[in-house]
Amino acid sequence: DTAVSQTPKYLVTQMGNDKSIKCEQNLGHDTMYWYKQDSKKFLKIMFSYNNKELIINETVPNRFSPKSPDKAHLNLHINSLELGDSAVYFCASSQDSPLVSYNEQFFGPGTRLTVL
Amino acid sequence: AQSVSQHNHHVILSEAASLELGCNYSYGGTVNLFWYVQYPGQHLQLLLKYFSGDPLVKGIKGFEAEFIKSKFSFNLRKPSVQWSDTAEYFCAVNGAGNNRKLIWGLGTSLAVNP
Repeated sequence: DTAVSQTPKYLVTQMGNDKSIKCEQNLGHDTMYWYKQDSKKFLKIMFSYNNKELIINETVPNRFSPKSPDKAHLNLHINSLELGDSAVYFCASSQDSPLVSYNEQFFGPGTRLTVL
Repeated sequence: AQSVSQHNHHVILSEAASLELGCNYSYGGTVNLFWYVQYPGQHLQLLLKYFSGDPLVKGIKGFEAEFIKSKFSFNLRKPSVQWSDTAEYFCAVNGAGNNRKLIWGLGTSLAVNP
């Protein structure tokens, strides 16, 4: 009964490969996010979807493409992986009211991506 | 642009010492404020939050934070830390109507020596 789950937990791959990370939330939330956390623990938002619609798209290389098949899932596909993509990727979700965004976010366990 | 500043990047304390981690933000309007904690090797968890009302907010594990609007601050405090409080602490701010985006501080790494 994990609230926000991610697979895989660890991902080790070669430069140039394409990989995907999956995220699912069973909280009934309507907004989901992808974050990248680098080795210095700096947390950077990458994308956010609300009801399957992209609402936040930060300055991220277009090798990164999020896909939301439904509001409980937000996957991240990365093409042509580079060394600098090595990081921990966190998925999160929140429930926002139409008028006020409280934005309390619930995080998944993270996916540690290592590009060799 | 909005920003969040956490003054202490690395803090080392002995058990039973008191803790205060600073957080300042730049946003002139109504804000929602959060402190998250990340224990070693784990995901981020909410410690406490402020939306409105009493500016002194109590969180889990004996943490509290005080919102001082005039100082644009939301400092985190704990009167007596434990070894298990060793973690990374993140302050985050969301301005009302800010398209659901949280602005995050860079984090403070706390090490508590037994």
